[in-house]
Amino acid sequence: EDQVTQSPEALRLQEGESSSLNCSYTVSGLRGLFWYRQDPGKGPEFLFTLYSAGEEKEKERLKATLTKKESFLHITAPKPEDSATYLCAVQAAGTALIFGKGTTLSVSS
Amino acid sequence: DTGVSQDPRHKITKRGQNVTFRCDPISEHNRLYWYRQTLGQGPEFLTYFQNEAQLEKSRLLSDRFSAERPKGSFSTLEIQRTEQGDSAMYLCASSLAKGQADTQYFGPGTRLTVL
Repeated sequence: EDQVTQSPEALRLQEGESSSLNCSYTVSGLRGLFWYRQDPGKGPEFLFTLYSAGEEKEKERLKATLTKKESFLHITAPKPEDSATYLCAVQAAGTALIFGKGTTLSVSS
Repeated sequence: DTGVSQDPRHKITKRGQNVTFRCDPISEHNRLYWYRQTLGQGPEFLTYFQNEAQLEKSRLLSDRFSAERPKGSFSTLEIQRTEQGDSAMYLCASSLAKGQADTQYFGPGTRLTVL
């Protein structure tokens, strides 16, 4: 069964304290892995798509990487406005995205 | 590009009533998806359309749920005889189907509360 597990469930950082979020997946025939950001009461906001192991993508303070078993979202020198829930999802044989439960990030100044 | 829009944003209803939600996708996108999200969980797939054809439905989608996408434009999701367990955020997403994985863009969601 296709499965996505995110860790940690919650992460508290001080402003400027870099860290990484983990997304491990078990899926047959990965077509793509996606990262989204979700603010409370809002829909997920697209961040990155990764297609194959070894691929990396960056956007401002965020960098996403992909291996054959997991993906990392690295946050460099975070700011309070980076506080949100970060969701990881995979797309396999079907078109539906399979999501993890997310990591809730809190950054304090 | 105005993004995916959903209406209403919030809906409070009594158990047993019917409710209908609307989703307007990004204009050039040919795929439209419905997901449901409960507190502390990631979104769960319900159904999707390619143009006007409904191609896949999740086992989560009971026979009280029905979705349509007339003319391949906007979509509606109707829940009949609502139950308290239907309380959730209902999310719509759209994408432009390409050869590899297609990136799905989400709307703001409709928050349903069943009393």
